[in-house]
Amino acid sequence: GDSVTQMEGPVTLSEEAFLTINCTYTATGYPSLFWYVQYPGEGLQLLLKATKADDKGSNKGFEATYRKETTSFHLEKGSVQVSDSAVYFCALSEGSGGGADGLTFGKGTHLIIQP
Amino acid sequence: GAGVSQSPSNKVTEKGKDVELRCDPISGHTALYWYRQSLGQGLEFLIYFQGNSAPDKSGLPSDRFSAERTGGSVSTLTIQRTQQEDSAVYLCASSRLGADYQPQHFGDGTRLSIL
Repeated sequence: GDSVTQMEGPVTLSEEAFLTINCTYTATGYPSLFWYVQYPGEGLQLLLKATKADDKGSNKGFEATYRKETTSFHLEKGSVQVSDSAVYFCALSEGSGGGADGLTFGKGTHLIIQP
Repeated sequence: GAGVSQSPSNKVTEKGKDVELRCDPISGHTALYWYRQSLGQGLEFLIYFQGNSAPDKSGLPSDRFSAERTGGSVSTLTIQRTQQEDSAVYLCASSRLGADYQPQHFGDGTRLSIL
C-alpha cells in the first residue's frame, strides 16, 4: 500500500537558518503530494501542494518540488522564523483531480525555531 | 465563514462503553473525511463520504467502528465497546469536489481517552 516517510525530529534550528525536511513516498499510481502544518494549539492546515511530476508548490516562503525519479517531496525554506515552529506532515493522495480520497500521512516532523 | 466543527472537543469514558463523535463540515462541502491521530500510529485515514455514501471503508480499524452521514452534512463516528487502544485524537475534514484538487479543511479534533 501507499506510504510516506519523513524525518521525525524534533528538528531544532536557529532563526534565519536554512530548513530542509525530507519526505519520500511509495505509491502505486501517480499521487498528488502535500505538506500540511499544525501550529501549536491549532488544527491541521494545508501548506502547499503539487499534483504532478516536476511541479513546485510554494507558500509562506516554503517550497517543495515533486520529484518522481526519486519519489521525494522535500520541504525547504531559506530563512526560518520563530513563528514557523510547528509540526509538519508530508502526505499523498492517489485520487485524481478533485475526487474525494483519503490522505496518507507521514508521522510528522516537529520543528523548533530558537531566537 | 465557519470552519469544520467537531464535538465534543474532549471525551473521557470507561473501557467497554460506546462513544459517538460528531462532525459538522463546512457548508457546501460534499466530501467528508475521518482520521485518527495517535502517538504510536501517527495520522491514519479511517473513512470518507461523498455525499451520504462511503465508497471506501477499508481504513476503519475494526467492526467496532462505524460512521454515517445524513443529509449530506453532519457525520457521526461511533465506536462500540471501546478499548484503551482507541484513545487518540479523532479528526474530521471536509472538502469540495471539483475538476482540480480541492484541499481538505480540518477541524480541531475530538480527544478521546479510554480509562
